[in-house]
Amino acid sequence: DGGITQSPKYLFRKEGQNVTLSCEQNLNHDAMYWYRQDPGQGLRLIYYSQIVNDFQKGDIAEGYSVSREKKESFPLTVTSAQKNPTAFYLCASSTRDGNTEAFFGQGTRLTVV
Amino acid sequence: AQSVSQHNHHVILSEAASLELGCNYSYGGTVNLFWYVQYPGQHLQLLLKYFSGDPLVKGIKGFEAEFIKSKFSFNLRKPSVQWSDTAEYFCAVTLYGNNRLAFGKGNQVVVIP
Repeated sequence: DGGITQSPKYLFRKEGQNVTLSCEQNLNHDAMYWYRQDPGQGLRLIYYSQIVNDFQKGDIAEGYSVSREKKESFPLTVTSAQKNPTAFYLCASSTRDGNTEAFFGQGTRLTVV
Repeated sequence: AQSVSQHNHHVILSEAASLELGCNYSYGGTVNLFWYVQYPGQHLQLLLKYFSGDPLVKGIKGFEAEFIKSKFSFNLRKPSVQWSDTAEYFCAVTLYGNNRLAFGKGNQVVVIP
């Protein structure tokens, strides 16, 4: 089946630790995105990548980092600098031209204690 | 600043009632418009989209939306809701040829049997 796989579904970490969220897609899409979803806030863009080895900051990039070494993969690292990391994180992919919809993964719920 | 606005974050209605969710955007230029739905425990999925042509768009599960360019709006409607329509609904916008999706804050819809 074609789609986007995020892992793990639930993640717990101690405060001060970095944590990396996985996102893999087999849709052959060039563009990939990371969003953060908080209740009442909608989805806010963290980082996006239009092509391998290239990525741009979104609206709330502080405290996060990404890499795009392979077309299929776009991991997100939540660093200890992120002041409020507990949230639901969604990965998405799409074609680069923007004239199709984005497809979303199941999400990772990160809880920092 | 460019933005997407959704009002009435929480909507509660009975089965068979009609639903209308408002979406306004502040982007200039040609836009692509989307409504996504997130059912409890499921991933975000596309309800419908508008790129060009007939401004009245039909989506899945009996939903439709109307693009009114003069009002910068893309309101979602369903004439008669079911309990299974309980979900969170998000309006999203991209500028034509640009794949960066901007989301509204969402509408949490609860349908009472």
